[in-house]
Amino acid sequence: ETGVTQTPRHLVMGMTNKKSLKCEQHLGHNAMYWYKQSAKKPLELMFVYSLEERVENNSVPSRFSPECPNSSHLFLHLHTLQPEDSALYLCASSQGPYNEQFFGPGTRLTVL
Amino acid sequence: AQSVTQPDIHITVSEGASLELRCNYSYGATPYLFWYVQSPGQGLQLLLKYFSGDTLVQGIKGFEAEFKRSQSSFNLRKPSVHWSDAAEYFCAVGIYNQGGKLIFGQGTELSVKP
Repeated sequence: ETGVTQTPRHLVMGMTNKKSLKCEQHLGHNAMYWYKQSAKKPLELMFVYSLEERVENNSVPSRFSPECPNSSHLFLHLHTLQPEDSALYLCASSQGPYNEQFFGPGTRLTVL
Repeated sequence: AQSVTQPDIHITVSEGASLELRCNYSYGATPYLFWYVQSPGQGLQLLLKYFSGDTLVQGIKGFEAEFKRSQSSFNLRKPSVHWSDAAEYFCAVGIYNQGGKLIFGQGTELSVKP
């Protein structure tokens, strides 16, 4: 595997389900990010982890819970989501906070 | 508040024609700047970046962009568009001392006519 990978690529869940999104970067980077991409809206930064510590939590509802167990892996745990949370969730990584970010292909989430 | 504006939501150009996608930002100091491209169902791919130095930067796939401080702009150009360039293009502004936070524009969707 190369670059940034995300699993699953597609996820359909009910409002009462609990699921997790996984991101893995194979670039040796030390910062990782979660973004939400909704139709007709700019990308919204959700969380930033630098050296495995959360440095940004952009007013995201508590039904989204990130986890960064090491510098290569990032998870987004989901529970009791709302239909408006349906979106493309993108993971990215960078070497340090002020360099270009490399994006994964995203997870297309649909909340019924 | 910092913001990034891409005034054109959708642009259609003929194959072989030139292209310019506009990006304006609102920020007090000099930011660092990126252009990304996204094909349907895919993540974002970096086209080019500006941190400092020469204000005309070259990227992949024949794209270039020019940083104009006086106009707070970072427009993307390509002299001759190919059908495979049809995609959505995002301008992003990075802010120093904000932990790597990028602010993205709303995107410009490019269609290419044969």
